Amino acid sequence: AQKVTQAQTEISVVEKEDVTLDCVYETRDTTYYLFWYKQPPSGELVFLIRRNSFDEQNEISGRYSWNFQKSTSSFNFTITASQVVDSAVYFCALLWGGANFGNEKLTFGTGTRLTIIP
Amino acid sequence: EAEVAQSPRYKITEKSQAVAFWCDPISGHATLYWYRQILGQGPELLVQFQDESVVDDSQLPKDRFSAERLKGVDSTLKIQPAELGDSAMYLCASSPRGETQYFGPGTRLLVL
Repeated sequence: AQKVTQAQTEISVVEKEDVTLDCVYETRDTTYYLFWYKQPPSGELVFLIRRNSFDEQNEISGRYSWNFQKSTSSFNFTITASQVVDSAVYFCALLWGGANFGNEKLTFGTGTRLTIIP
Repeated sequence: EAEVAQSPRYKITEKSQAVAFWCDPISGHATLYWYRQILGQGPELLVQFQDESVVDDSQLPKDRFSAERLKGVDSTLKIQPAELGDSAMYLCASSPRGETQYFGPGTRLLVL
């Protein structure tokens, strides 16, 4: 079964602190993709990053960085020097079923609500 | 930058009434998805289109929900009759074939 677990329901940190959001996934597929989306209070899901299962290189984009470890089935997201604008719900997601083109499915975790305190 | 458009952004209706949501995907995106997101949870797929064909509607409550994408471009999701439990955010997304899904702003539905 495909599953994404975000054990942290809510996190609060003071502005400028670093924060890491955890994501653990389960899948039997050998080819899959992992995503992070941000959902601000307005409701729109904003795409942040995509990683395929064959690329374990960590990635950094400004204050954001992602650590993908297949050995532990984790895809964690770190925000460095957090800002109030980072306050949102963050979702980790798994895209699977790629062997059948057109039938790929995106499974979301339950999200982590991040609050940055000024 | 191209975006997925949805309307209305908010809808309040009484139970037993009919409601309809509209989605216009990013131009050229063959795959269109409708998701439902209940407060405090992640989105869950209701229906997936590849061009004008439904490829997955296994989670769509077909006794009251219907979806169409007649010309393979924009799409409409309908609920008739609406029930209290349908109150949720309805999100539309589109993607090039099998790739990253881009989401619209969503429609917040409240059924009274």
